[in-house]
Amino acid sequence: TQLLEQSPQFLSIQEGENLTVYCNSSSVFSSLQWYRQEPGEGPVLLVTVVTGGEVKKLKRLTFQFGDARKDSSLHITAAQPGDTGLYLCAGSFGSARQLTFGSGTQLTVLP
Amino acid sequence: KAGVTQTPRYLIKTRGQQVTLSCSPISGHRSVSWYQQTPGQGLQFLFEYFSETQRNKGNFPGRFSGRQFSNSRSEMNVSTLELGDSALYLCASSWMGTDNEQFFGPGTRLTVL
Repeated sequence: TQLLEQSPQFLSIQEGENLTVYCNSSSVFSSLQWYRQEPGEGPVLLVTVVTGGEVKKLKRLTFQFGDARKDSSLHITAAQPGDTGLYLCAGSFGSARQLTFGSGTQLTVLP
Repeated sequence: KAGVTQTPRYLIKTRGQQVTLSCSPISGHRSVSWYQQTPGQGLQFLFEYFSETQRNKGNFPGRFSGRQFSNSRSEMNVSTLELGDSALYLCASSWMGTDNEQFFGPGTRLTVL
């Protein structure tokens, strides 16, 4: 069973601050996705990374994939209240298509 | 392009009953996966269907089953409901690309009383 560790579990910050969320595994990801989920709704895909060392940017969000493809991070610059939500990393391993999810990071950005 | 749709959005059942949930994938997507989300266990994989065949199954009891139709729509069924089956059931569709991008529907909130 592949395990995926996500940290921190909770994050409460003031508007304008920066933050980083981490996602790690002891196994190599074949691909990794970051999602954001609102209460009672399904996760919304933010980004997919597949190449070691890859960096992708989505407005104020920066996603990095580790060189060894065992870890990833999500960095938010100048967080806004609209960024509040549950951030989930999800990875697949080998040829399996099932996603293994991290436990999530509940982010609250206070105005 | 329409997203993944799931019906119904909310269900209330009692223990021992059975339930069927429906999922319509994004047009052109032929792979459908189902996940269960609970506060205690997070998101867990139930099963994946492609071309009407179950390709992979998670660690859930046989009370959980599913199927896929020729138009790629999928249903999942839970028989003999237990209180612990209360959860948000999520369907995800994918076009089977190598990046394994999966797009989720809004989910069905099942409450078992």
